[in-house]
Amino acid sequence: QQQVKQSPQSLIVQKGGISIINCAYENTAFDYFPWYQQFPGKGPALLIAIRPDVSEKKEGRFTISFNKSAKQFSLHIMDSQPGDSATYFCAASKGSYIPTFGRGTSLIVHP
Amino acid sequence: KAGVTQTPRYLIKTRGQQVTLSCSPISGHRSVSWYQQTPGQGLQFLFEYFSETQRNKGNFPGRFSGRQFSNSRSEMNVSTLELGDSALYLCASSVGGGGENEQFFGPGTRLTVL
Repeated sequence: QQQVKQSPQSLIVQKGGISIINCAYENTAFDYFPWYQQFPGKGPALLIAIRPDVSEKKEGRFTISFNKSAKQFSLHIMDSQPGDSATYFCAASKGSYIPTFGRGTSLIVHP
Repeated sequence: KAGVTQTPRYLIKTRGQQVTLSCSPISGHRSVSWYQQTPGQGLQFLFEYFSETQRNKGNFPGRFSGRQFSNSRSEMNVSTLELGDSALYLCASSVGGGGENEQFFGPGTRLTVL
């Protein structure tokens, strides 16, 4: 059973555009929602994370929007750049348990 | 501070063989987790070790096993390899495990089973 559903599987945007990746979760006990970014040949690295007591968190061009009632959260990349081309994973965790990851979104930003 | 290292980076095996992958966590990190990454399934959790004890386990067959040593280094073993085991195997270390403890991933070991 997939506890964290991520969409789209792939995304192509033009430089300067907005990239939006969505995730939905089922377990209401999840209390921490990180996003990881993975470049080819590298392991994933933490990009930004949010707790459910806030509806939005922004770090530079990256913003997480969180909708607790809908059990959804999304990553927005403003002014997308070719260097943002990577695979993005959302995740959700509860307490000390290891995060459950979405299946990933391959983002390509065209120059 | 040195990052997570994994050896070997690439491995080619044939069906029926067994393989051992190694992971050295960041100094001071006591939790080591292993993931299998494939294009269709994303990151699938294999198991987590904390202070030499398996603390969490994913939904993989018993052919997949692991262990952690007193210096927190970890090994993962896959016996009787199948074609479907071809994947990128990632190791991640953290200070205390799940929750808000950031996981630091290694570059992975690319396993190809022929």
